[in-house]
Amino acid sequence: SQQGEEDPQALSIQEGENATMNCSYKTSINNLQWYRQNSGRGLVHLILIRSNEREKHSGRLRVTLDTSKKSSSLLITASRAADTASYFCATGAGGYQKVTFGIGTKLQVIP
Amino acid sequence: ETGVTQTPRHLVMGMTNKKSLKCEQHLGHNAMYWYKQSAKKPLELMFVYNFKEQTENNSVPSRFSPECPNSSHLFLHLHTLQPEDSALYLCASSQVGGAVTEAFFGQGTRLTVV
Repeated sequence: SQQGEEDPQALSIQEGENATMNCSYKTSINNLQWYRQNSGRGLVHLILIRSNEREKHSGRLRVTLDTSKKSSSLLITASRAADTASYFCATGAGGYQKVTFGIGTKLQVIP
Repeated sequence: ETGVTQTPRHLVMGMTNKKSLKCEQHLGHNAMYWYKQSAKKPLELMFVYNFKEQTENNSVPSRFSPECPNSSHLFLHLHTLQPEDSALYLCASSQVGGAVTEAFFGQGTRLTVV
């Protein structure tokens, strides 16, 4: 069953602007991960935040996690055309790291 | 290159055919996964193998049959598929137990059932 739900489902911005995507989930988690997928390709892991962390940075990416609201956000600063892709959040839980994905946010960065 | 290799990249098969998808990981991970990605749907977890043992089968029809001969290789055997089975099939691996790590994905096999 679907665990993470990304919002919005589609986002179109100009190059240089910031892009914010949100993710909500339903059950307790060990961690939350964000992935990027270019059209028809495999997913690439971007960043992982543990349930006891509130914020994490990696280059132009900033992720926040609010376990009380069961939500996370991914901020991409100073977007580039190459950031055009679908972005998925995934929640990790269980002893064998079952990872469940949402439907994704399709980001288009216009040059 | 993520260390997870899937073959073939594209596959067209008839409903009466039998084919297999292959996944190989060179990362030393102990868990492997099959996901199905259909248009406008969330990624669906199909099977999980942990230390070569199947630990999850998400109500997948029996026309999909997984095989994990060792912790580096994972197969998905296909037979008598339906057109609605056309999708991108993604394999992933991760290391479970101890520190939490991310899943690494292959490039996927684009399957078309005609």
